[in-house]
Amino acid sequence: DAGVTQSPTHLIKTRGQHVTLRCSPISGHKSVSWYQQVLGQGPQFIFQYYEKEERGRGNFPDRFSARQFPNYSSELNVNALLLGDSALYLCASSLVTGGFQPQHFGDGTRLSIL
Amino acid sequence: GQQVMQIPQYQHVQEGEDFTTYCNSSTTLSNIQWYKQRPGGHPVFLIQLVKSGEVKKQKRLTFQFGEAKKNSSLHITATQTTDVGTYFCAGGQGGKLIFGQGTELSVKP
Repeated sequence: DAGVTQSPTHLIKTRGQHVTLRCSPISGHKSVSWYQQVLGQGPQFIFQYYEKEERGRGNFPDRFSARQFPNYSSELNVNALLLGDSALYLCASSLVTGGFQPQHFGDGTRLSIL
Repeated sequence: GQQVMQIPQYQHVQEGEDFTTYCNSSTTLSNIQWYKQRPGGHPVFLIQLVKSGEVKKQKRLTFQFGEAKKNSSLHITATQTTDVGTYFCAGGQGGKLIFGQGTELSVKP
């Protein structure tokens, strides 16, 4: 079975641009979460979606938004990119929502802002 | 805000030595999860602890959840080079997972 897939794997943008990152969860998983991982730090929770509804939001500005589609795939959008947005963006899926669910991570999208 | 602190940040050991990483939360956790991230890889789920004082073992790895559900530890006995990576704890709070900063383990053969 395929794991969590993310695209693109790498992305280079300049300040002020916007970016869309994509994620396909493991088949049968209905919950998708997004994390930002800065080098040397643990993943920071951005959003969780379950059944197309936002179920949780971390401490990130409104420039960050996300959505989940009927097939449970998800997009993370970041507007007005800043240098500090450079990070590895990880998508994780789980069977259902909630903090008790093991997270199955994808390989991530490495975003570099110039 | 909600914080999960993890120490040490780095640990360098000789192969065969033991290794322990500690995780502390400022608030009571509903559960604690542990993940391993190899260099260049993504976090991989290892285990989840839910009950106060719970202890679980996976071969050479022993995981503990504190009585007050505010701290946890991961102990590796007789490390091997395959244990290299960063170990993260993640505490469940309000339906979200809050990750610690991780402990990077290097093992010298």
